[in-house]
Amino acid sequence: GNSVTQMEGPVTLSEEAFLTINCTYTATGYPSLFWYVQYPGEGLQLLLKATKADDKGSNKGFEATYRKETTSFHLEKGSVQVSDSAVYFCALSGSNTNAGKSTFGDGTTLTVKP
Amino acid sequence: NAGVTQTPKFRILKIGQSMTLQCTQDMNHNYMYWYRQDPGMGLKLIYYSVGAGITDKGEVPNGYNVSRSTTEDFPLRLELAAPSQTSVYFCASRSVGSSYNEQFFGPGTRLTVL
Repeated sequence: GNSVTQMEGPVTLSEEAFLTINCTYTATGYPSLFWYVQYPGEGLQLLLKATKADDKGSNKGFEATYRKETTSFHLEKGSVQVSDSAVYFCALSGSNTNAGKSTFGDGTTLTVKP
Repeated sequence: NAGVTQTPKFRILKIGQSMTLQCTQDMNHNYMYWYRQDPGMGLKLIYYSVGAGITDKGEVPNGYNVSRSTTEDFPLRLELAAPSQTSVYFCASRSVGSSYNEQFFGPGTRLTVL
């Protein structure tokens, strides 16, 4: 079946540091890949997504590139801010015959200190 | 659009009590999902629905029931609450179509069973 493995946290960075959160996946076919963010006390919200190999998703300074050869979708940001402190989830969604279900990683908690 | 709304936000139950967690979406999405998120963990799928009148079990359905009488509403029922059901519960929805479509999440219900 499908699976998503995320870099274990927690991750603590100083403001303006470079961020990488690793994500690798196992899936049949050509899944779509997502990063969701969960701010304290809130539900998950989409951060960015990519649908095919070599696609780059980007939003709010975050980027991730769909690498089929390494089955990876690592999240990066060049300069983090305190407001980026949150839990980040990598996810994949397979074909529509699977009722649109997504497979989520366990989440990585990011804390950014001033 | 309000998106996905959930009530209540918080609830404390005694062992053996029952309750219904409400979920409503106003985006006309056919797919809806219930997840639980235990502290420091990822999301586990409890039940899902592909349309009104159709529901199916996810990874962890024991102790829960659902119904889907309308496109908008997808309530989750706990019949005999147990301490193991202490968790944060998220409802989500998604439109039919490409696997590129993301899930939209509600703000969650934090449930404690004592």
